[in-house]
Amino acid sequence: AQTVTQSQPEMSVQEAETVTLSCTYDTSESNYYLFWYKQPPSRQMILVIRQEAYKQQNATENRFSVNFQKAAKSFSLKISDSQLGDTAMYFCAFTVIQGAQKLVFGQGTRLTINP
Amino acid sequence: ETGVTQSPTHLIKTRGQQVTLRCSSQSGHNTVSWYQQALGQGPQFIFQYYREEENGRGNFPPRFSGLQFPNYSSELNVNALELDDSALYLCASSLRSSGYNEQFFGPGTRLTVL
Repeated sequence: AQTVTQSQPEMSVQEAETVTLSCTYDTSESNYYLFWYKQPPSRQMILVIRQEAYKQQNATENRFSVNFQKAAKSFSLKISDSQLGDTAMYFCAFTVIQGAQKLVFGQGTRLTINP
Repeated sequence: ETGVTQSPTHLIKTRGQQVTLRCSSQSGHNTVSWYQQALGQGPQFIFQYYREEENGRGNFPPRFSGLQFPNYSSELNVNALELDDSALYLCASSLRSSGYNEQFFGPGTRLTVL
């Protein structure tokens, strides 16, 4: 079975600080992608960052970067210089590149950025 | 370019009733996936439609069914509603290709079953 686990239900930091959200996953597949999605109160699921499993280099998107440890099946998200607009639920997700490519999501981490 | 839209935004039904949720895919996309997100949980895959046929299904009973139309829009139908069906229902559209197919999500329909 493919599973995604987020062990931090809630996190809170001050504006401009750096925060790291944790995620572990389990799969026996070799060709897969990992994602971090943001879901603000508007409910729209927004893709933050994507990592291809075959790439050793960690993905970065502006203030967002990941630490992908394939052997440990770990995929953490680092948000630098956090902003009030970063307040949201963050979901780690996984998909295998075959068939329907369904997304398997973790339970989510509620991140609050305080002014 | 028009994004993914869903209707209605909110819906209240009673146990035992039937409901139909609608999704219009993003322009140029030919695949629609549906997810159920219970309160405080991550979304769970219900099923996917490609070229008007079901192309993968999650662990949901047969009373969850769907359709895809020639314009690639889609419906999710749930019969004999149960209290546990109360959730946010998300649809996501994508363009099927040989590689990774990014899914773009709609804003969801909040279903409350009383």
